Amino acid sequence: DGGITQSPKYLFRKEGQNVTLSCEQNLNHDAMYWYRQDPGQGLRLIYYSQIVNDFQKGDIAEGYSVSREKKESFPLTVTSAQKNPTAFYLCAGRTEEDDGYTFGSGTRLTVV
Amino acid sequence: GQNIDQPTEMTATEGAIVQINCTYQTSGFNGLFWYQQHAGEAPTFLSYNVLDGLEEKGRFSSFLSRSKGYSYLLLKELQMKDSASYLCAVMATGGSYIPTFGRGTSLIVHP
Repeated sequence: DGGITQSPKYLFRKEGQNVTLSCEQNLNHDAMYWYRQDPGQGLRLIYYSQIVNDFQKGDIAEGYSVSREKKESFPLTVTSAQKNPTAFYLCAGRTEEDDGYTFGSGTRLTVV
Repeated sequence: GQNIDQPTEMTATEGAIVQINCTYQTSGFNGLFWYQQHAGEAPTFLSYNVLDGLEEKGRFSSFLSRSKGYSYLLLKELQMKDSASYLCAVMATGGSYIPTFGRGTSLIVHP
């Protein structure tokens, strides 16, 4: 089945540790996106990539990093520099023919 | 920049009709999306409006008025499974195809 797979669904980390969230897709999406969702807030864009080996900062990129070494994969690293990393993280993708995004099922990160 | 406003929470009765409004301000408009999101899950695409008017898809319809910066999502024959958050997202002109999302409206459907 085609889709966007995020893993793991739940992730716990100690404060000060870097953590990498996985996002894999087999829908041939050219563009991929990472969003953060907090209670009572809209989705906020962290990073996006429109082509392999290229990515751009979104509205809240500080404390995060990404890579796009292959089309199918767009991992997000939450670094220790991110002041408030506990949140629900959503990966999304689209092709030029799509009207909207396809989202992954999300990773809920809790930093303790 | 963009400003998107939608109610925080609405309640409705099973079988009824509910209208969720979204108002927006943007420097250049290139489309408006509605997504449905159940708690802890991924948002799913409902509709995309670029031109003025009403678009109907089964029990769900979406309306757009570009001159008024206004859209609504209409849900008919409400079912319990329609309890979810409904996200309005506006895309500005500029070529990057990145919508800005509102805070979402939490809809609670009760028997």
